[in-house]
Amino acid sequence: DAGVIQSPRHEVTEMGQEVTLRCKPISGHDYLFWYRQTMMRGLELLIYFNNNVPIDDSGMPEDRFSAKMPNASFSTLKIQPSEPRDSAVYFCASSSRTADSNQPQHFGDGTRLSIL
Amino acid sequence: AQSVAQPEDQVNVAEGNPLTVKCTYSVSGNPYLFWYVQYPNRGLQFLLKYITGDNLVKGSYGFEAEFNKSQTSFHLKKPSALVSDSALYFCAVRVALFMNSGGYQKVTFGTGTKLQVIP
Repeated sequence: DAGVIQSPRHEVTEMGQEVTLRCKPISGHDYLFWYRQTMMRGLELLIYFNNNVPIDDSGMPEDRFSAKMPNASFSTLKIQPSEPRDSAVYFCASSSRTADSNQPQHFGDGTRLSIL
Repeated sequence: AQSVAQPEDQVNVAEGNPLTVKCTYSVSGNPYLFWYVQYPNRGLQFLLKYITGDNLVKGSYGFEAEFNKSQTSFHLKKPSALVSDSALYFCAVRVALFMNSGGYQKVTFGTGTKLQVIP
């Protein structure tokens, strides 16, 4: 089990640039989550997918943020244009489906994003 | 609505002493409760969960947690702390809400408690 794989691990870019974060969930997991972690706000759920379909994107902060899951093994989170306040650690997590939702989430090691 | 409270931003404990990290929750219905640990520059890692049954749940690395329904608490414990236990700990709660497509998983995380084990 390779775990959830995120890339890149670190990203430094200038304000206004497009940023794309990538995630490969654990094979066989039906749910995929994108989180953002900052000192000020803690861990925030941005969006999650079930069977590649976005279910709840109410946590996406602005229209500058978008997420896709074109297939069961890949998802992207895009920020365009990026701003300094987007600087944070972004985590991807996945979990398997059960009827009573008692499975834990498995997190990747995150992408540390710095917008200058 | 559901919520989780971790009242302590930081807990300091001497190595070898017992440790407790506190968590209280609020949900409508039966809770599923989780503890995660985060080491520096790593993602959250699942420690243990309470679903139903025995109120004392045992998990990874010698940790355990006690579910108390009347106090709506799920405190994390370990009998003897190690320096390597120093990390950030998150409590989380989930209630299963079923929509027409099946299971709907939304989890609420606490703000985290930094555990510092002093040699």
